[in-house]
Amino acid sequence: QKEVEQNSGPLSVPEGAIASLNCTYSDRGSQSFFWYRQYSGKSPELIMSIYSNGDKEDGRFTAQLNKASQYVSLLIRDSQPSDSATYLCAVTGEGGYNKLIFGAGTRLAVHP
Amino acid sequence: EPEVTQTPSHQVTQMGQEVILRCVPISNHLYFYWYRQILGQKVEFLVSFYNNEISEKSEIFDDQFSVERPDGSNFTLKIRSTKLEDSAMYFCASKLQVNTEAFFGQGTRLTVV
Repeated sequence: QKEVEQNSGPLSVPEGAIASLNCTYSDRGSQSFFWYRQYSGKSPELIMSIYSNGDKEDGRFTAQLNKASQYVSLLIRDSQPSDSATYLCAVTGEGGYNKLIFGAGTRLAVHP
Repeated sequence: EPEVTQTPSHQVTQMGQEVILRCVPISNHLYFYWYRQILGQKVEFLVSFYNNEISEKSEIFDDQFSVERPDGSNFTLKIRSTKLEDSAMYFCASKLQVNTEAFFGQGTRLTVV
């Protein structure tokens, strides 16, 4: 059974701080990695994708991938109250039609 | 900006009734998916669809479920005889290529009573 594990949180950070979200996955053949943001009652919204080892930055967001450790992370700099949401880590496996396997999500609360 | 559109946003149905959930994927996308999320639980894969046929389905996607792309724009999920445990948010997603990002519709909240 392919698994994606995340700390459920809540992760509470003050406004302006860096929020660090982590994810591990079990399938060593996973090739593509994504972070989605989900507000309560809404659909997943793509934040970042990462496909190779290292860091990828997009505005206030940085995704980090370490395939040897089967570990993906998301850093959010200068956190804002509007970043308060559940962050879902999702990975795809090799072969097939690359369905997404989601973690349960980490709830982030940014307080003023 | 192109987006995936789902209708209805909320559907209430009686147990045993058939429901059809509708999706309009992003127009040039080739890969289509249905996922569901039971309240408080993970987003779960149901089925993937490519080249007018099912390419993969999960254990959840049993004989009560079917998908169809009746024309060049719509993608539907049918549940033939709904059960209470089918109550969930159902999300449609589409991708341009198999290894690219998946974009999700806003979801249909299905409530079976």
